[in-house]
Amino acid sequence: GAGVSQSPSNKVTEKGKDVELRCDPISGHTALYWYRQSLGQGLEFLIYFQGNSAPDKSGLPSDRFSAERTGGSVSTLTIQRTQQEDSAVYLCASSLTVGSYNEQFFGPGTRLTVL
Amino acid sequence: RKEVEQDPGPFNVPEGATVAFNCTYSNSASQSFFWYRQDCRKEPKLLMSVYSSGNEDGRFTAQLNRASQYISLLIRDSKLSDSATYLCVVIPDSSGGYQKVTFGTGTKLQVIP
Repeated sequence: GAGVSQSPSNKVTEKGKDVELRCDPISGHTALYWYRQSLGQGLEFLIYFQGNSAPDKSGLPSDRFSAERTGGSVSTLTIQRTQQEDSAVYLCASSLTVGSYNEQFFGPGTRLTVL
Repeated sequence: RKEVEQDPGPFNVPEGATVAFNCTYSNSASQSFFWYRQDCRKEPKLLMSVYSSGNEDGRFTAQLNRASQYISLLIRDSKLSDSATYLCVVIPDSSGGYQKVTFGTGTKLQVIP
């Protein structure tokens, strides 16, 4: 079956512009996560969705970052007034449910470059 | 102390060698553990779960040491294709509720011909 997809795969933007990143999770997966990975660094947790609600948004670095999920499926991560330090790969992952064994399936990521 | 810590490496090993990585965690209530593999410029993918009694999958062996709060990954007979970054994942048990998934920063392995 189809895996997690993300779009766009690459995004180059100018400082100060807004960007929207999209994630299509695996069908039926209720849990959805956004992470950020800078070059050579580990995964930085941003936000977690269970269905359409976000019980944990503790990782969002500033109020310029927001995310939503609709229909328990597609999620959009929005970064307003982008800064150069926002440049990173943004990874989305989904899992079947919240439970004791929570394998996450990752999308290929969106590589964001802020000039 | 970080929630999950890994030696970033790189571990440079010759083909055929045996190599082991550890991952320490700070939350003693942690219940579920995994190893993920991330190839260069690719997304992480699940390599194997880590069971309390230890488990093996071909050349890969994962173990859990609860007393010392670490998990380990052993790779025997290393192949060039094993070159990647290995991320450990630790999940606390919240009895079916939300679980904060914590990734380590990864250990880079380079297998040399």
